[in-house]
Amino acid sequence: NAGVMQNPRHLVRRRGQEARLRCSPMKGHSHVYWYRQLPEEGLKFMVYLQKENIIDESGMPKERFSAEFPKEGPSILRIQQVVRGDSAAYFCASSPPGSHMLEAFFGQGTRLTVV
Amino acid sequence: AQSVSQHNHHVILSEAASLELGCNYSYGGTVNLFWYVQYPGQHLQLLLKYFSGDPLVKGIKGFEAEFIKSKFSFNLRKPSVQWSDTAEYFCAVLRRALTFGSGTRLQVQP
Repeated sequence: NAGVMQNPRHLVRRRGQEARLRCSPMKGHSHVYWYRQLPEEGLKFMVYLQKENIIDESGMPKERFSAEFPKEGPSILRIQQVVRGDSAAYFCASSPPGSHMLEAFFGQGTRLTVV
Repeated sequence: AQSVSQHNHHVILSEAASLELGCNYSYGGTVNLFWYVQYPGQHLQLLLKYFSGDPLVKGIKGFEAEFIKSKFSFNLRKPSVQWSDTAEYFCAVLRRALTFGSGTRLQVQP
């Protein structure tokens, strides 16, 4: 059973471009969470999704950021018109049905660098 | 504001020294508490968690943590650290989602 898979591991974008980060949860997991880790800071919650539904997006910036978890395929975190301040490590976690984050597993993260 | 505080940002120890990393939270009521470890270049791994019952929790790799409700604390301990424990350690509280502290970078010198 593969762990939570995130790709790419490293992503470089120029200011104004779009960044797409993908997360494939562990097999059998239906809950996905995205976190952002800025340099020298802890992980900050962004969004919680279940299949085809956004459950809690209280941590998402109001503009330029969106997330989806379609019925088929990975969860996608999309950042439009990236700025230097978006440079960070983005982590995805997944958990099985009914457990919320009591049994959460994290991916290795995507390190986004905006130049 | 509700938060999780880790006051030690960077700790340097020699091998075999004892470790205690502080974690305080400011939430009232029932809490679920976690310690995660992040080795260089790797994903977060769960060290241990507390839901209820015995406030002294044993985790993997010889780590333990004690929940002290009156102090709103959940400190991580290890009697004798090894070089391989060099990593970043995060305390977290589960509310709507996991809320993490800012982390403590532990460096163990051989």
